[in-house]
Amino acid sequence: DVKVTQSSRYLVKRTGEKVFLECVQDMDHENMFWYRQDPGLGLRLIYFSYDVKMKEKGDIPEGYSVSREKKERFSLILESASTNQTSMYLCASLEGGRIGSYEQYFGPGTRLTVT
Amino acid sequence: DQQVKQNSPSLSVQEGRISILNCDYTNSMFDYFLWYKKYPAEGPTFLISISSIKDKNEDGRFTVFLNKSAKHLSLHIVPSQPGDSAVYFCAARITGTASKLTFGTGTRLQVTL
Repeated sequence: DVKVTQSSRYLVKRTGEKVFLECVQDMDHENMFWYRQDPGLGLRLIYFSYDVKMKEKGDIPEGYSVSREKKERFSLILESASTNQTSMYLCASLEGGRIGSYEQYFGPGTRLTVT
Repeated sequence: DQQVKQNSPSLSVQEGRISILNCDYTNSMFDYFLWYKKYPAEGPTFLISISSIKDKNEDGRFTVFLNKSAKHLSLHIVPSQPGDSAVYFCAARITGTASKLTFGTGTRLQVTL
């Protein structure tokens, strides 16, 4: 069964702190994604990775960076947290190379509050 | 620029009736569409998808219709059940981008008794 886990369900950080959000998938998927979900804005792609050490910017990468040192793990880093980064963060993964199958599998999300 | 739009933020339907959730898109390069369901404090789960070469796909109580000329898709749930109460997102993939999806803003469905 497909499984994507995220290190924390709820997190409270102070403005200016460096924040690490971890995501692990056990499906040997090539592709991994970080989104944030905000009311009225839906899911917006921050960064994605299609292979180890490979990354691409999504639609809203400003203020974020990512790291993928191992295939199963994709980390989102907030270099200096700000209050406008308070959001629900969702990680997803997708098997690569399958034509006609683009279904991403999501983790449970991390609710981050920056005070 | 919102390329995938869900213009109804919320929808309330009686149990047993049909729920129709709508989604409009602007990019003609989208070739695959998906619907996701999300409960509070959980990640989205995949529900149903459709390729742009089809106009209908059915899975149990869920049917997705695609009208390419109108750039419109809809999700029909028949009959609606209280457990269907959730936020529904439509998503679309651009030809050749392999894995990147563009999501709509979501519609909150409430199924009442």
